[in-house]
Amino acid sequence: SQELEQSPQSLIVQEGKNLTINCTSSKTLYGLYWYKQKYGEGLIFLMMLQKGGEEKSHEKITAKLDEKKQQSSLHITASQPSHAGIYLCGAVLSQGAQKLVFGQGTRLTINP
Amino acid sequence: DSGVTQTPKHLITATGQRVTLRCSPRSGDLSVYWYQQSLDQGLQFLIQYYNGEERAKGNILERFSAQQFPDLHSELNLSSLELGDSALYFCASSEDSFNYNSPLHFGNGTRLTVT
Repeated sequence: SQELEQSPQSLIVQEGKNLTINCTSSKTLYGLYWYKQKYGEGLIFLMMLQKGGEEKSHEKITAKLDEKKQQSSLHITASQPSHAGIYLCGAVLSQGAQKLVFGQGTRLTINP
Repeated sequence: DSGVTQTPKHLITATGQRVTLRCSPRSGDLSVYWYQQSLDQGLQFLIQYYNGEERAKGNILERFSAQQFPDLHSELNLSSLELGDSALYFCASSEDSFNYNSPLHFGNGTRLTVT
């Protein structure tokens, strides 16, 4: 089973609607990173969260870290076609770890 | 543009062959990471180098090896290729050895197809 579970696996929303993607860990989160990937391309860094309760926003994307629940959520407000892609969460799952572990990704489609 | 350059973009080769993937990190970044992305396994960490030295190893097969050169570029060598090695191979870099404050910056990947 995955150490990081993302839900949903795929999401189709109407342009202009809000949406939320979740990332849940089976272990303590020591750092949580959100990336976006367009099909066949590289990962674009979106945001980094480190402390429980921390919330960051960039344009219409907001990410929050719930340390107690070992979970992070990514919320997009008033979605646009440019938001389409695959969203991946990556996390540090042990202190001193030298790598990021990634979830399987959430494929987001925006319908006009 | 992340500043991380990977070549080639695409590679098609036959089973049993050997290939080399190349990565140039962002200017000033000392760490290089290799990841493999496949449909069934997702994004899997392979190996990390910091300033020429191996720092961490993940699920890297014995048929695979990597190195980081004095100019900080890195190469991932894949040998005795099998059909299951077909995947997107990503290189990422960071300023320092991995720490929570420094996100990884990814290249656009090399798509390897083994036939």
